[in-house]
Amino acid sequence: DTAVSQTPKYLVTQMGNDKSIKCEQNLGHDTMYWYKQDSKKFLKIMFSYNNKELIINETVPNRFSPKSPDKAHLNLHINSLELGDSAVYFCASSAGENQPQHFGDGTRLSIL
Amino acid sequence: GEDVEQSLFLSVREGDSSVINCTYTDSSSTYLYWYKQEPGAGLQLLTYIFSNMDMKQDQRLTVLLNKKDKHLSLRIADTQTGDSAIYFCAESPGSQGNLIFGKGTKLSVKP
Repeated sequence: DTAVSQTPKYLVTQMGNDKSIKCEQNLGHDTMYWYKQDSKKFLKIMFSYNNKELIINETVPNRFSPKSPDKAHLNLHINSLELGDSAVYFCASSAGENQPQHFGDGTRLSIL
Repeated sequence: GEDVEQSLFLSVREGDSSVINCTYTDSSSTYLYWYKQEPGAGLQLLTYIFSNMDMKQDQRLTVLLNKKDKHLSLRIADTQTGDSAIYFCAESPGSQGNLIFGKGTKLSVKP
């Protein structure tokens, strides 16, 4: 069974569109994260949720809105997509803050 | 500020040992991590070390931690072609748990 699963794996869309990426974990973890990996492979935290509550919101444009319907899910909705949003987005989860994080396989977002 | 530094490239011959080095800045990190990313794939948690340890061994992997110098290394014994990947060092400073990653070391293993 996949521990942290993200859908879709690939997302190709046009500038200006709105899209969502879903993430689910079956590890029973309390904390979930979204990271962005740019074209140079640099990884940076975007958001962190603990038990459905937002903990971290790094300097991410407010076009990005995370939603956590329950502690096993953390979805990422992006409005008005821009060329610079092209990246790989990784979801992760951990048993708690400062515990090892397990990552999904990533969603490769390409903006045309 | 928070910063994790690693060399960008390492090339070794199959069967040799690989050593990937990393320096970090925040001494409050509870754990320090090594992640592996194969081409086109996600991040795999390879190993991690608790900050009060100085060594951890797991099969072919040995992690060494020098807290005084804030230096972390990953040694892969008997490196195989399947070990070719990007290896990321990460620290977890502060209480919020987010990881600060280095830029990754691309390991190339030549037959």
